[in-house]
Amino acid sequence: GQQVMQIPQYQHVQEGEDFTTYCNSSTTLSNIQWYKQRPGGHPVFLIQLVKSGEVKKQKRLTFQFGEAKKNSSLHITATQTTDVGTYFCAGPNSGYALNFGKGTSLLVTP
Amino acid sequence: DSGVTQTPKHLITATGQRVTLRCSPRSGDLSVYWYQQSLDQGLQFLIQYYNGEERAKGNILERFSAQQFPDLHSELNLSSLELGDSALYFCASSVVLGDSPKYFGPGTRLTVL
Repeated sequence: GQQVMQIPQYQHVQEGEDFTTYCNSSTTLSNIQWYKQRPGGHPVFLIQLVKSGEVKKQKRLTFQFGEAKKNSSLHITATQTTDVGTYFCAGPNSGYALNFGKGTSLLVTP
Repeated sequence: DSGVTQTPKHLITATGQRVTLRCSPRSGDLSVYWYQQSLDQGLQFLIQYYNGEERAKGNILERFSAQQFPDLHSELNLSSLELGDSALYFCASSVVLGDSPKYFGPGTRLTVL
């Protein structure tokens, strides 16, 4: 079945540094979604990418969907302590459920 | 606040027992998803209901079952509990069948001793 892999598993940065997490699928995806989960919290939907090569920005966050629609990335510019959490990518499964990657845990130290 | 509510917040029980987790989707959302989150397996899709009917099944054990009621709330029943069932259980909802789960509830943390 379709698998979504994420790297790195953990990332520790100093506040102000940039951060990138990568997501790779074993199959072509119709769309990809990104979520953020703060420690002790629940996943919060960030964005959905649908088109090949799509790039979307949300303030300091830049999301990209690969041309082949098998990979995606999330880049955070100038991290802040509020960016701490685990970032998940997810691709559609059978029906309309999602297969989540294992996530990248981001730690930002001031 | 996503608008999805889950009860209870925490649940501690013993092996072999049965528990019921409850989820109320956002107002107007017809689709409910259940996910299990454990440290080693990450977020695993269990089951989806839409307007009372089961629509998709994921890695749900036979000991687990779910249903969605006419008022659209959903319950996840876990029986013959094992230590490995200890996890966070999230419910998520979306408006229509073709929409992925965008709004997650706060989760129920289940601890099996």
